[in-house]
Amino acid sequence: QTVVTQEPSFSVSPGGTVTLTCGLSSGSVSTSYYPSWYQQTPGQAPRTLIYNTNTRSSGVPDRFSGSILGNKAALTITGAQADDESDYYCVLYMGSGFWVFGGGTKLTVL
Amino acid sequence: QVQLQESGPGLVKPSETLSLTCTVSGGSISTYYWSWIRQPPGKGLEWIGYIYYSGATNYNPSLKSRVTMSVDTSKNQFSLKLRSVTAADTAVYYCARTRYGGYYMDVWGKGTTVTVSS
Repeated sequence: QTVVTQEPSFSVSPGGTVTLTCGLSSGSVSTSYYPSWYQQTPGQAPRTLIYNTNTRSSGVPDRFSGSILGNKAALTITGAQADDESDYYCVLYMGSGFWVFGGGTKLTVL
Repeated sequence: QVQLQESGPGLVKPSETLSLTCTVSGGSISTYYWSWIRQPPGKGLEWIGYIYYSGATNYNPSLKSRVTMSVDTSKNQFSLKLRSVTAADTAVYYCARTRYGGYYMDVWGKGTTVTVSS
């Protein structure tokens, strides 16, 4: 069974930079998995941040960026703000019309 | 601006069928894929499956034996049925527009909470 891995939690100081990653239990993440990233605050629906590895969704600030780092997909937040404190989920397209979500990373800004 | 709204019973008894509908407003259901995603309390997101406006479907293998999705283009709606539910199916259920170019979900409904309990 394919498992998409994310750090359970991360913290960053206001104004700092943080990189969250998205890996596979077996194998490497590449652009062929079309990684996408979603932000979710408590009680709210997810918000699309990044798709196709590094394309920002409409209205997303450019301090959010996506990339492939080594064998993982990555979401980097540059100049973190208090309202970036959220859960972040990556999703990988596994082919054949099948998507798998990662377990999510709880980001604390303090 | 396309908007999605989930609707359906908030309480379902164990062993019964969960039925939800997602209504698409501000745009056409045609030419897009539409997914259902759920989130158990305090847990992460799980992709349940998608339906294309033509009626083609694909489901998460872990749920495939219990899931049926359908679409009504005349009403701009698509639906989810999950059979033989247990407490483990208690979750917030989201519908989302799914882009096959780019392979991502770009528009989300607000979600609806479904509790499985007798």
